[in-house]
Amino acid sequence: AQKVTQAQTEISVVEKEDVTLDCVYETRDTTYYLFWYKQPPSGELVFLIRRNSFDEQNEISGRYSWNFQKSTSSFNFTITASQVVDSAVYFCALTQTQGGSEKLVFGKGTKLTVNP
Amino acid sequence: EPEVTQTPSHQVTQMGQEVILRCVPISNHLYFYWYRQILGQKVEFLVSFYNNEISEKSEIFDDQFSVERPDGSNFTLKIRSTKLEDSAMYFCASSERGADTGELFFGEGSRLTVL
Repeated sequence: AQKVTQAQTEISVVEKEDVTLDCVYETRDTTYYLFWYKQPPSGELVFLIRRNSFDEQNEISGRYSWNFQKSTSSFNFTITASQVVDSAVYFCALTQTQGGSEKLVFGKGTKLTVNP
Repeated sequence: EPEVTQTPSHQVTQMGQEVILRCVPISNHLYFYWYRQILGQKVEFLVSFYNNEISEKSEIFDDQFSVERPDGSNFTLKIRSTKLEDSAMYFCASSERGADTGELFFGEGSRLTVL
């Protein structure tokens, strides 16, 4: 069965520090998608990135970057030069595609606090 | 930018009452979902809906839950007789091509408090 593990429950950093959020997944699917979502204190889920299992290229978007390593089943997320506005809970998620299922399986989330 | 909208943003109800949470998915999307997040916990899949029928449901989605697309725009989640443990944030989501191929757009959530 699909499983997503975010071992870091809470991380606290000082503004301008770099921070990496870990995500390890388990799946038997050969084709799958990985996602990161941000949940700010207001509660909504904000889509950050989707990665296809066949695309292991790392991606950078501004201060955000993602490192997808199929060999270790990891999809880590790094925020460079963190800012107070980055404070949120971040969820990693994995699609379950077999049997026509379309659901996302979420990790338990990592709460990031960026202090000024 | 098109978005998924949910109403109400917060509802307080008494145990045993029926609740209907409403969602307006993005207009050209074909796949609709409800997810639930109990306070401080992870987001959990409840149900997916495509072509006017449920395509998958989780073990959480028991007989007290139902979903409906009553017209061309709304997608509703009904909880027939609420329990204390139904208190959670409920997220509606929609996608154009299904969660395994496209982005899943979430609404801002409806917080349900059962007293």
